[in-house]
Amino acid sequence: LAKTTQPISMDSYEGQEVNITCSHNNIATNDYITWYQQFPSQGPRFIIQGYKTKVTNEVASLFIPADRKSSTLSLPRVSLSDTAVYYCLVGDGRKLVFGAGTILRVKS
Amino acid sequence: DTEVTQTPKHLVMGMTNKKSLKCEQHMGHRAMYWYKQKAKKPPELMFVYSYEKLSINESVPSRFSPECPNSSLLNLHLHALQPEDSALYLCASSQGSGLAGGGIETQYFGPGTRLLVL
Repeated sequence: LAKTTQPISMDSYEGQEVNITCSHNNIATNDYITWYQQFPSQGPRFIIQGYKTKVTNEVASLFIPADRKSSTLSLPRVSLSDTAVYYCLVGDGRKLVFGAGTILRVKS
Repeated sequence: DTEVTQTPKHLVMGMTNKKSLKCEQHMGHRAMYWYKQKAKKPPELMFVYSYEKLSINESVPSRFSPECPNSSLLNLHLHALQPEDSALYLCASSQGSGLAGGGIETQYFGPGTRLLVL
């Protein structure tokens, strides 16, 4: 399974757009990129998944360049409630291997 | 209903005790998972059940014994645990039939059981 590298932490202010980049240099052809969010004392929650180019849903966008060696999770207009750990995962099938994650702190 | 429930929420046990963690889902999912999460660390996969059969065991010590009595229930039996086993134990489920065209099935996680071994 491809290893992922993310920033340890990021700070932002309410209303700003936040972009979290994940590096996955050894991504395999069949691998997809998935992001999960986790609040303290809760289980992770699926945010978005993509294979290439851009994917958008009601909460986030995922940008994947042509070489797929990195990806960027974009959270538009964050609020205090978006303070959480964000995990980037790369793989296929059913096995989830979580990387270290990025702690996002949103301030007022 | 996209909820995975776990009981108990908290558990304190001694090293000689036997206890069980319970997980339940009613989404019709056929894959269920146990993860262990230590403080300030990412979740680590322990076991995967697919159609009530154990399909992945991530070299977990035998003092952890999973059981899947039916497609909705997943148990984790604990015996002779060590203090270093103290952690948040997360259960998750997913559709289990794979995604057309590939990809990782979305896993739905429960809130976890916080276990303290004394």
